[in-house]
Amino acid sequence: DIQMTQSPSSLSASVGDRVTVTCRASQSISNYLDWYQQKPGKAPKLLIYATSRLQVGVPSRFRGSGSGTDFTLTITTLQPEDFATYYCQQSYSTPRTFGQGTKLEIK
Amino acid sequence: QVQLQESGPGLVKPSETLSLTCTVSGGSIDTYYWTWIRQPPGKGLEWIGYIFHTGSTNYNPSLKSRVTMSLDTSNNQFSLKLSSVTAADTAVYYCARELNLRLGEFSFATFDIWGQGTMVTVSS
Repeated sequence: DIQMTQSPSSLSASVGDRVTVTCRASQSISNYLDWYQQKPGKAPKLLIYATSRLQVGVPSRFRGSGSGTDFTLTITTLQPEDFATYYCQQSYSTPRTFGQGTKLEIK
Repeated sequence: QVQLQESGPGLVKPSETLSLTCTVSGGSIDTYYWTWIRQPPGKGLEWIGYIFHTGSTNYNPSLKSRVTMSLDTSNNQFSLKLSSVTAADTAVYYCARELNLRLGEFSFATFDIWGQGTMVTVSS
């Protein structure tokens, strides 16, 4: 199985900040990497697929980049509704695997 | 638009079989990969597996010996059975659609639509 490791596990930030979450794969996954946002009691929501492609309806302040084993999710100007947990996930092979999550909290 | 809704018992006894159904509305089940994902309380996401509209399946090796997925195209539903459950199977279970997108010469798969999730507790 491909292991996905996110850092940090938690992050405190303020509205208006720029934040970056990192995801590392245990082997090269080319650009088969997605990002999801999950709020408490809700299902995950697709933000970005294929490393950098924004899902329809997702604000442009969300940006994804990377290739191979190292990927980042950047939120350029944090909004109140962005405080949530973020997961990366590889679709290079099965079993599909997720990172352990990064909880973004209000400072 | 396409929506997914999980249904099934919220409480299952140890050693018994967990059975869940996902109903697809607003679209046909006759395409795509239909997926089950679970999330233990306070923990991360685990892919259980998928069933293709043809009926072919792909299960997580960690659960493969206990998992069965099936399709009911007449009712636009797909189902999950997980046998011999223990407390470690307590989780929110989500059904999701795995969409395959062609971008240039490459094909990408992503979970674009999710059900709201259903909590299943394994306890006597």
